[in-house]
Amino acid sequence: DIVMTQSPDSLAVSLGERATINCKSSQSILYSSNNKNYLAWYQQRAGQPPKLLIYWASTRESGVPDRFSGSGSATDFTLTITSLQAEDVAVYYCQQYFGTPPTFGQGTKVEIK
Amino acid sequence: QVQLKQSGAEVKKPGASVMLSCEASGYTFTSYYIHWMRQAPGQGLEWMGIINPSGGGTSYAQKFQDRVTLTRDTSTSTVFMEMSSLRSEDTAVYYCANSETSGPFDYWGQGTLVTVSS
Repeated sequence: DIVMTQSPDSLAVSLGERATINCKSSQSILYSSNNKNYLAWYQQRAGQPPKLLIYWASTRESGVPDRFSGSGSATDFTLTITSLQAEDVAVYYCQQYFGTPPTFGQGTKVEIK
Repeated sequence: QVQLKQSGAEVKKPGASVMLSCEASGYTFTSYYIHWMRQAPGQGLEWMGIINPSGGGTSYAQKFQDRVTLTRDTSTSTVFMEMSSLRSEDTAVYYCANSETSGPFDYWGQGTLVTVSS
């Protein structure tokens, strides 16, 4: 199985400041035939199901604010939240859908400082 | 709009079985795969298996191969997840989600809490 490792496990950021979450896969999830990274980011607010934010490593889902952005390739990926808002308090998960089983990172909890 | 509506909370005794449902609406049921995940209290997300509603083909995580069965009813656009031989460690919120072939999980159900306790 492909292991996804996120860092940090938690972070506290002041309102309006930048939050950066890293995700590393145990093997490349870049498919050479289409040059796509099979990496998604989800947001899970307390008591809610996960919500898709980013897919193909950097494509924002419809309706997701543009303060959320994804980057990276092959084995190293980043989710950036510029100008953190109160409603961004949540746990964020990366997920690879390159291999079976699809696997998730352990999650990163984002709080307000 | 796309919705995945899951059945209500369950309380089961160790050794029992449970069947959960996930009713899809707002899209062509047979055009998207349905995945099942679970999340133990305070823990992360664990993928359990996938079903292709079109042909009924399934694939399971090795951990759940012997205890989980996914089925579907195309007449009601519903997927069912049955888990047998429940133990306390199976206490979790169970989610269904849909995806295109080799795609991210686009929409999620609201989750179903299963509590296993004697």
